[in-house]
Amino acid sequence: DQQVKQNSPSLSVQEGRISILNCDYTNSMFDYFLWYKKYPAEGPTFLISISSIKDKNEDGRFTVFLNKSAKHLSLHIVPSQPGDSAVYFCAASGGAGYSTLTFGKGTMLLVSP
Amino acid sequence: NAGVMQNPRHLVRRRGQEARLRCSPMKGHSHVYWYRQLPEEGLKFMVYLQKENIIDESGMPKERFSAEFPKEGPSILRIQQVVRGDSAAYFCASSPVGGDTQYFGPGTRLTVL
Repeated sequence: DQQVKQNSPSLSVQEGRISILNCDYTNSMFDYFLWYKKYPAEGPTFLISISSIKDKNEDGRFTVFLNKSAKHLSLHIVPSQPGDSAVYFCAASGGAGYSTLTFGKGTMLLVSP
Repeated sequence: NAGVMQNPRHLVRRRGQEARLRCSPMKGHSHVYWYRQLPEEGLKFMVYLQKENIIDESGMPKERFSAEFPKEGPSILRIQQVVRGDSAAYFCASSPVGGDTQYFGPGTRLTVL
């Protein structure tokens, strides 16, 4: 019973173009969503988050969009750079006062020069 | 600017031995979370602790696994009588308050021979 789903295991994009990573969730109690970036043999690094009271949050090249009715969020990276190549995890929390995170399985992004 | 510290980074144990994983949260953070990542999987929540208290251990196996976060010193995740299925990357995260963004350490990679 996967509550956070990242259906694309991998994504390849050319440098300078837009990368769009998608995430779907099933638990309507989730009210806070985060994206983490992870390099091999390292811990996840926090990228950007969004609360359920918003539908968009932007930080530099990274923008997260939230569509609550569709239970869908996406991370846009523009312009993509080779250093963005990593695994991106979508995570969600909320409901009943819990603050633990539920993660998707990740999408590996490869940005080629 | 010290982030979350975990040690050891790599740990090799034989079946039946004990594994102790340590986590020092970021300065000013009193909430600690442990997650486990199996190969090709996302991170799975194990346990959430505040100083001297276990807040949520719903993700932790009932047997052989225990966690603590004493008043002084790091948080410890202890695995007794390890089995091959315990081989995974174990990540610790911390936050200043519950429900806030979690920041991850580099992880401990446990290999059970």
